[in-house]
Amino acid sequence: KQEVTQIPAALSVPEGENLVLNCSFTDSAIYNLQWFRQDPGKGLTSLLLIQSSQREQTSGRLNASLDKSSGRSTLYIAASQPGDSATYLCAVRRFQGAQKLVFGQGTRLTINP
Amino acid sequence: NAGVTQTPKFQVLKTGQSMTLQCAQDMNHEYMSWYRQDPGMGLRLIHYSVGAGITDQGEVPNGYNVSRSTTEDFPLRLLSAAPSQTSVYFCASSLGLAGATDTQYFGPGTRLTVL
Repeated sequence: KQEVTQIPAALSVPEGENLVLNCSFTDSAIYNLQWFRQDPGKGLTSLLLIQSSQREQTSGRLNASLDKSSGRSTLYIAASQPGDSATYLCAVRRFQGAQKLVFGQGTRLTINP
Repeated sequence: NAGVTQTPKFQVLKTGQSMTLQCAQDMNHEYMSWYRQDPGMGLRLIHYSVGAGITDQGEVPNGYNVSRSTTEDFPLRLLSAAPSQTSVYFCASSLGLAGATDTQYFGPGTRLTVL
């Protein structure tokens, strides 16, 4: 059974720092991995999606990497801003067309001005 | 595009009442899903649909019904509400097999309380 873990559960850093969020999964047979952002009381916003054949994806100040063999993904946020404060979730999809995304519990990120 | 929309945003029910959570998308996505989000449990799949007229169960389907008569709409019905169904419900959609990346898009959620 696929399990996804995100550590730490919460992270607080000063504005301007570069930071890394971690996501690990137990079964390396995945189709893709997606990072989401969730603001309090809101839905999930897709940030980046990495296919299993890719090593990384970049969007602006965000960079996500994937190491399938070790069952790990990281989300790198450069030059953090208070507006980056949110909960970040990663989710894996087992195969193309699979409806079930397996989610981690999320990391609650706070950027202090 | 409005993306994925959900109504209502908030709902309070009494035990035993029934109701329907509405979900619609205007992106012509084939795949639609319902998740619930609970503290400490993360997001769990309730039901999903791979196209109009086709639905299937996820990991926590008991107490819920779905139907998909059109590509755009995927309502979730609570048959007889129980306090254990107090949760935040999210609808999601994706392009389906035709979409290589299969990015999932989520609605804003419905916060349901069952007394």
